[in-house]
Amino acid sequence: DGGITQSPKYLFRKEGQNVTLSCEQNLNHDAMYWYRQDPGQGLRLIYYSQIVNDFQKGDIAEGYSVSREKKESFPLTVTSAQKNPTAFYLCASGQEFTDTQYFGPGTRLTVL
Amino acid sequence: AQSVTQLDSQVPVFEEAPVELRCNYSSSVSVYLFWYVQYPNQGLQLLLKYLSGSTLVESINGFEAEFNKSQTSFHLRKPSVHISDTAEYFCAVRSFDDYKLSFGAGTTVTVRA
Repeated sequence: DGGITQSPKYLFRKEGQNVTLSCEQNLNHDAMYWYRQDPGQGLRLIYYSQIVNDFQKGDIAEGYSVSREKKESFPLTVTSAQKNPTAFYLCASGQEFTDTQYFGPGTRLTVL
Repeated sequence: AQSVTQLDSQVPVFEEAPVELRCNYSSSVSVYLFWYVQYPNQGLQLLLKYLSGSTLVESINGFEAEFNKSQTSFHLRKPSVHISDTAEYFCAVRSFDDYKLSFGAGTTVTVRA
């Protein structure tokens, strides 16, 4: 079964703690993306990666970090520097030079 | 850089009535256009896309969208909605030379019996 998996579905953390969100894909896609979704604001790009061991900041990268050590994995760390981390986080992937991005089911992060 | 405006944040509609969701974009270069649908607490699913060719594109579940270059619009329509069409719909644009998608703020469609 091909697709994108994100875990966990719900995540609770205390303020000041770093937390890592998992994203795995078995679609053999080169490009992977992380978005943040807040009510009434659509999706905003946090980071993206076109190939292994390379990634670029998106529009709202402050307070986040990523790694791309394997083609199928693109974990996102929400650091304590992120001032308002409570949100729904979506991971996506796509083939280089094609059009469509495929999304995972999302992780809802709540910081208490 | 490109941007997307979805003109309606909430669209209530009765079952079997038609619906239109409006989307306008701005870009200095040629673009690809997309509509995604999101059901509660789920990820986004691609509904339909315009890449080139015919300006009218259709989805398998009865939605259609028409690319209008002169008006920089990509409105989504369905002639008769079902309760199951209740969801949030996002319009997105991507320029030919970029990986990044720019999303609109979303339109929540609520279908009532």
